[in-house]
Amino acid sequence: AQSVTQLDSHVSVSEGTPVLLRCNYSSSYSPSLFWYVQHPNKGLQLLLKYTSAATLVKGINGFEAEFKKSETSFHLTKPSAHMSDAAEYFCVVSAGYGGATNKLIFGTGTLLAVQP
Amino acid sequence: EPEVTQTPSHQVTQMGQEVILRCVPISNHLYFYWYRQILGQKVEFLVSFYNNEISEKSEIFDDQFSVERPDGSNFTLKIRSTKLEDSAMYFCASKVTGDSNQPQHFGDGTRLSIL
Repeated sequence: AQSVTQLDSHVSVSEGTPVLLRCNYSSSYSPSLFWYVQHPNKGLQLLLKYTSAATLVKGINGFEAEFKKSETSFHLTKPSAHMSDAAEYFCVVSAGYGGATNKLIFGTGTLLAVQP
Repeated sequence: EPEVTQTPSHQVTQMGQEVILRCVPISNHLYFYWYRQILGQKVEFLVSFYNNEISEKSEIFDDQFSVERPDGSNFTLKIRSTKLEDSAMYFCASKVTGDSNQPQHFGDGTRLSIL
């Protein structure tokens, strides 16, 4: 079965410093992995996706993630945090190869706080 | 950019009452989903819908829940007799193909409060 584990429930950084949000996955085959962001009282916005074309994936707002099969990790990074990055971030894996289901399995989320 | 829209944004209902949550998926999308997020908990899958039928449902999606695509644009989630534990944020999502690489696009959610 597919699963993801987000290693930190809360991360606090200062504005202008790097961001690292950690995610480990479990999958019996090559996974489809995503990072979504949820700002307060808003929906889930796709940041980036991994689909086996490249191990380093660039997303919106300067975020990127690196797929490391040997470590079963898909950590999210950003070189320099901005106040507007404060939100909850979800690591997500798609269940199944394809077809009519492909439900998403969410991690527990990491709440990112950015201090001025 | 096309969006998934959900109405209402907030619904307050008495326990035992029926509630219908509405979603308009992106127009060329064919696969539809409902998820829920109880306050302080992770986002959970409820049901997936394709070709006018349920393709998968979770254990949460019991006989009190139903989904429908009554016309070419709306996708609804009905809870027949609400319970206190149904209080949650409900998200609708859609995607264009069944490819697992394709991301799902989410609406802003409906916050359901059961009194």
